[in-house]
Amino acid sequence: QKEVEQNSGPLSVPEGAIASLNCTYSDRGSQSFFWYRQYSGKSPELIMFIYSNGDKEDGRFTAQLNKASQYVSLLIRDSQPSDSATYLCAVKYAGNQFYFGTGTSLTVIP
Amino acid sequence: SAVISQKPSRDICQRGTSLTIQCQVDSQVTMMFWYRQQPGQSLTLIATANQGSEATYESGFVIDKFPISRPNLTFSTLTVSNMSPEDSSIYLCSARDKAQETQYFGPGTRLLVL
Repeated sequence: QKEVEQNSGPLSVPEGAIASLNCTYSDRGSQSFFWYRQYSGKSPELIMFIYSNGDKEDGRFTAQLNKASQYVSLLIRDSQPSDSATYLCAVKYAGNQFYFGTGTSLTVIP
Repeated sequence: SAVISQKPSRDICQRGTSLTIQCQVDSQVTMMFWYRQQPGQSLTLIATANQGSEATYESGFVIDKFPISRPNLTFSTLTVSNMSPEDSSIYLCSARDKAQETQYFGPGTRLLVL
């Protein structure tokens, strides 16, 4: 059973703080890891993807991958109220399917 | 990135009827998928739409209930058959280019079954 686990939250951070979102996965054969943002009533939009161990930065977002510990995280620096959304972690295994976590709800408080 | 459109964007249907949802991608993609997302829940994969052959369904989903077509590399349909209120959900089309690895979503179809 391929599982992707996320803390459902809600996670609240003050504006300007760092938001840290975590995701663990069960299958060591996992190849690629993705973070999606989903605003209420909207479809998921891709924020970042990461394939290799370590950090990957894109603007205010940093994805971190640790394959030995089977976790991937997303850091959002200088959080803004517009970052308030549900963040979905997705894992791609050796097959062609993405497996999604249940999502973490983030609220950035002005 | 691929741009994906779906129609209808929303519909209200009567129990026992069927609804076909269309998905159009602005470029040729190797893989298309259909997901369901119920309120407050994450995404559940219904099936992979295969071009020129029968779709590959996930556990709990069957072809008789969710027939899928994919006549070419840019278009797919999902039919929700013999609907019941439990089918009320958002249905999302998704596409991925095998070379790019990234997967994109359409805007979704909000379905309410009365």
